[in-house]
Amino acid sequence: DPKIIQKPKYLVAVTGSEKILICEQYLGHNAMYWYRQSAKKPLEFMFSYSYQKLMDNQTASSRFQPQSSKKNHLDLQITALKPDDSATYFCASSQDRLGGRKYFGPGTRLTVL
Amino acid sequence: GEKVEQHESTLSVREGDSAVINCTYTDTASSYFPWYKQEAGKSLHFVIDIRSNVDRKQSQRLIVLLDKKAKRFSLHITATQPEDSAIYFCAASPNYAQGLTFGLGTRVSVFP
Repeated sequence: DPKIIQKPKYLVAVTGSEKILICEQYLGHNAMYWYRQSAKKPLEFMFSYSYQKLMDNQTASSRFQPQSSKKNHLDLQITALKPDDSATYFCASSQDRLGGRKYFGPGTRLTVL
Repeated sequence: GEKVEQHESTLSVREGDSAVINCTYTDTASSYFPWYKQEAGKSLHFVIDIRSNVDRKQSQRLIVLLDKKAKRFSLHITATQPEDSAIYFCAASPNYAQGLTFGLGTRVSVFP
C-alpha cells in the first residue's frame, strides 16, 4: 500500500489558472515537505511543515501556498500558473523535524500550457 | 545558501565493478548528507545517509565517505548489479530537520 499519496499523478493547466496538488501521508509522520523537480535543475526544496505549522519557506513566490487541513495532509495551491511552473512536485515526510529520513511521494507532474 | 555539486552526470560500469559518485558542498554548516535513488518514472527512494560526526558509513554494498575538510562526500556502490541502474542524487542540509539541497543527479548504468 502506498504510504504517501499524491493526487493527481498528472495535471495539465493553462497559463493563469489555479491548481491544488494533494498530498496525504500514512506513515504517522509529523513533518511534511514539498519539493519541485524541473528539467535540468536540481530538486528544489520549497516548504516544510511541522505539526501543521509552516517552518521553512524557500519559495520566493507567494503564488505557492501550502495548506495543511489535517496532520497528515499538506496540499499545495498554485495560483496564476506560468509555463515555468511546469515540473514534478514531490511531497515528502519525516518522523519529525529533529530526526528521521525523508520519504518521498510518487509526485505530481504538472504541465502548464 | 548551500550549493551541492554532483560531479558525474553519467556513469557506466560493468556488472560486478564498483561505481563511485562524488559530491561537493559549499556550506560548512551542513552536517547531514543523504543519498537517494530514482528509477525511471518513479519517486526518490532513500538509500543511505551520513552525518558529520563520522567519516564513513556502510550499508551492505553501499559505502558513503565524508571529508569535511574538503567539503566532499561520495557514494561507492560495490559489486554492482543491474538493479543498481538508476539516477542517484546526493543532498546536504544543516541537520535532519531542514530542507535538503540536492545535486543534479548521476545516471548510473550497469552493463553485463
